[in-house]
Amino acid sequence: AQSVAQPEDQVNVAEGNPLTVKCTYSVSGNPYLFWYVQYPNRGLQFLLKYITGDNLVKGSYGFEAEFNKSQTSFHLKKPSALVSDSALYFCAVSPFSSGSARQLTFGSGTQLTVLP
Amino acid sequence: DGGITQSPKYLFRKEGQNVTLSCEQNLNHDAMYWYRQDPGQGLRLIYYSQIVNDFQKGDIAEGYSVSREKKESFPLTVTSAQKNPTAFYLCASSIARTGRSNQPQHFGDGTRLSIL
Repeated sequence: AQSVAQPEDQVNVAEGNPLTVKCTYSVSGNPYLFWYVQYPNRGLQFLLKYITGDNLVKGSYGFEAEFNKSQTSFHLKKPSALVSDSALYFCAVSPFSSGSARQLTFGSGTQLTVLP
Repeated sequence: DGGITQSPKYLFRKEGQNVTLSCEQNLNHDAMYWYRQDPGQGLRLIYYSQIVNDFQKGDIAEGYSVSREKKESFPLTVTSAQKNPTAFYLCASSIARTGRSNQPQHFGDGTRLSIL
């Protein structure tokens, strides 16, 4: 069975500083990895995904994520945080498969607060 | 604009009552999903459907039922058998053809269900 761990429930960072939100995963075979963001009382918005290729993936709103196969990690990063980045962030994993719609597993989420 | 519409935004259930949450998408996606979100627990899959007239149980299907009579619609009924229904319910959709499991899921803005 696949799983995702987001070890930090809460991350605080000052505006303008770099931010990192951590994610580790466990899956059989090669993974598909995703990051989503959720604002209060809203649905999840897709930020970026890793499928294959370059280990550094760039996504929306200046976010990027680094895939590390040996450490089974997919940490979300941004060079300079904005107050508007404050939100709940979810990491998700799906195994490389023939097309099953079922197999996306989410982490428990990390609340990011950017302090002005 | 293409997207997913969930209604109502807020819903209240009385004891012994069944309630139905609506989810409609105009993205022409094959697959649709229902998730339950509780604080600190991330998203848990209730039901999913890959094609019309077919659906599968997720991890927490007990006390819930669904139908998929049209490609665009995937309503969720929370039955009186669900003893702890208070949660935020999210509907999602995605492309689900073979070889496309790397496509992200798109989410609606959720329905918040509470007990009266």
